[in-house]
Amino acid sequence: GAGVSQSPRYKVAKRGQDVALRCDPISGHVSLFWYQQALGQGPEFLTYFQNEAQLDKSGLPSDRFFAERPEGSVSTLKIQRTQQEDSAVYLCASTPVGLADSYEQYFGPGTRLTVT
Amino acid sequence: AQSVSQHNHHVILSEAASLELGCNYSYGGTVNLFWYVQYPGQHLQLLLKYFSGDPLVKGIKGFEAEFIKSKFSFNLRKPSVQWSDTAEYFCALLSGAGSYQLTFGKGTKLSVIP
Repeated sequence: GAGVSQSPRYKVAKRGQDVALRCDPISGHVSLFWYQQALGQGPEFLTYFQNEAQLDKSGLPSDRFFAERPEGSVSTLKIQRTQQEDSAVYLCASTPVGLADSYEQYFGPGTRLTVT
Repeated sequence: AQSVSQHNHHVILSEAASLELGCNYSYGGTVNLFWYVQYPGQHLQLLLKYFSGDPLVKGIKGFEAEFIKSKFSFNLRKPSVQWSDTAEYFCALLSGAGSYQLTFGKGTKLSVIP
């Protein structure tokens, strides 16, 4: 079946612009995660959804970052008034299970955001 | 808070050489451990995982890893690398049952010379 997909794959934004990054998880997957991967670093957790509920947003670096998953499937990560330090690869991952179970996470290809 | 250390930033090997990539973690409780691989231009893929049971875990493409609890380590090994193993390798952990935040190391870039 299809894996996790993300769009756009590449995004260039001028400082101060708003951006929206889309994630389509594997169909039927309950849990969805966003990670940020800066150059030369491993991915870092941003936020977690179980179905449409955002259960953890502790990793979001500032109130300019906002994520939603209104129907429990597709998710959007929005960054307002982008700054140069927001330049990174944004990864989405999903799993078929909910909070009570540990499970491998399936990752999408990521969106590379460059803020100029 | 938990952390993962990968001490090798870049490893260069010739084909057929043996590989061992180090991974150490910091967390006092039960852990689930993973190795992910990212081939050039591709997304992160799971190589292998340890949840419980036999500490020697076998994954895809001939890779294996050994969980040594006393050393807080989960090193990745392969007896004979191929050019196609050129990729970046990430060690990651989930800290206990019900945890969902993967904590990643910084990654090790492996270059295999034909």
